[in-house]
Amino acid sequence: NAGVMQNPRHLVRRRGQEARLRCSPMKGHSHVYWYRQLPEEGLKFMVYLQKENIIDESGMPKERFSAEFPKEGPSILRIQQVVRGDSAAYFCASSPEQGPQETQYFGPGTRLLVL
Amino acid sequence: KNQVEQSPQSLIILEGKNCTLQCNYTVSPFSNLRWYKQDTGRGPVSLTIMTFSENTKSNGRYTATLDADTKQSSLHITASQLSDSASYICVVSLLTGGGNKLTFGTGTQLKVEL
Repeated sequence: NAGVMQNPRHLVRRRGQEARLRCSPMKGHSHVYWYRQLPEEGLKFMVYLQKENIIDESGMPKERFSAEFPKEGPSILRIQQVVRGDSAAYFCASSPEQGPQETQYFGPGTRLLVL
Repeated sequence: KNQVEQSPQSLIILEGKNCTLQCNYTVSPFSNLRWYKQDTGRGPVSLTIMTFSENTKSNGRYTATLDADTKQSSLHITASQLSDSASYICVVSLLTGGGNKLTFGTGTQLKVEL
């Protein structure tokens, strides 16, 4: 059973370009979470999705950021018109169910660098 | 504001020695507390999960404690190994209608040396 997969592992973009980050959850997992880790800071929650639904996007910036988890295929975190402040590591986690002690399994992250 | 604070920020110990990492939190309402290990360049890996009614939980050489009254937790590592070198992150969970919302500490960077 492969773990959570994220690609690309590293992404370089110039200011104003778009960044697309992909996350394939573990097999059988229907809950996906996205987190952002800025340099020298802890991970910060961005968005929680189930298949085809956004459940909680309270941590997502209101503009330029969007996320989806289609019925088929990976979850996508999309950042439009990137700025230098978007440079960070973006982690995806998945879980098989929701509950007080559900374990979130993390992917290796995508490191985004905006030039 | 919900916060999770960890100490020390970094720690160097010799292989074979024990160490204890601390975590204080103000997250409310509290669902559970987790400790994660994050190797450099990798995603966090869960070590322990404790609800408010649990005082201690072990996973091999890792033992976590929780005092929900004082809102403090600790992670004790016994007989450290070189492979224990990593960031150890305390994570507190709020259970909301939208699932478990995790609040992460900034971690304690542990280095184990020969």
